[in-house]
Amino acid sequence: QVQMQESGPGLVKPSETLSLTCTVSGGSISNYFWSWIRQPPGKGLEWIGYIYYSGSTNYNPSLKSRVTMSVDASKNQFSLRLTSMTAADTAVYYCARYGYYHFDMWGQGTMVTVSS
Amino acid sequence: QTVVTQESSFSVSPGGTVTLTCGLNSGSVSATYYPSWYQQTPGQPPRTLIYNTNARSSGVPDRFSGSILGNKAALTITGAQADDESDYYCVLYMASGIYVFGTGTKVTVL
Repeated sequence: QVQMQESGPGLVKPSETLSLTCTVSGGSISNYFWSWIRQPPGKGLEWIGYIYYSGSTNYNPSLKSRVTMSVDASKNQFSLRLTSMTAADTAVYYCARYGYYHFDMWGQGTMVTVSS
Repeated sequence: QTVVTQESSFSVSPGGTVTLTCGLNSGSVSATYYPSWYQQTPGQPPRTLIYNTNARSSGVPDRFSGSILGNKAALTITGAQADDESDYYCVLYMASGIYVFGTGTKVTVL
């Protein structure tokens, strides 16, 4: 049973960079696409982007200038980096496995608050 | 800017049927958008229900079904149960390779 767990700081200061990692267990990160999705408190879901295990990426155009995703297959991990954080980036951040045009497995999510 | 529209809320009686829809602010939704549907309860990650318009995810009861109705994707719950009370989100795949989530529908069972 594949499981995913997000990790990273719960609090980030405005203008700083967020770094999150998703650790995949119970299966290999290879041969799959992996995605990040976020949800501001009380609001809907927003797709941030995805990365293939080989490293190719595709990002939400609205976030593209601030987003970088990377993968470390040796650790079965993939990561999200989001620069120039503002209060509008406060959200629960989910990692998810991306299957046949859908997100078939999800992590539990990690809450990130942007505040000084 | 692409906006994927969903009803804000729906109420259904236990045992009743409800159909949620997923549309585009410009254009029609077809199978080429590979619509998928997710169920979310408070404090939990989304759960995948339907993908590729009408394929049911593993373990999802057959009271959940997906389709294209007119110019929208649709999720139908037949024989609603109390634990179907959740938020439901659709997602569409755009030709540019990006995904757009719908605005979400809150379903109340009472």
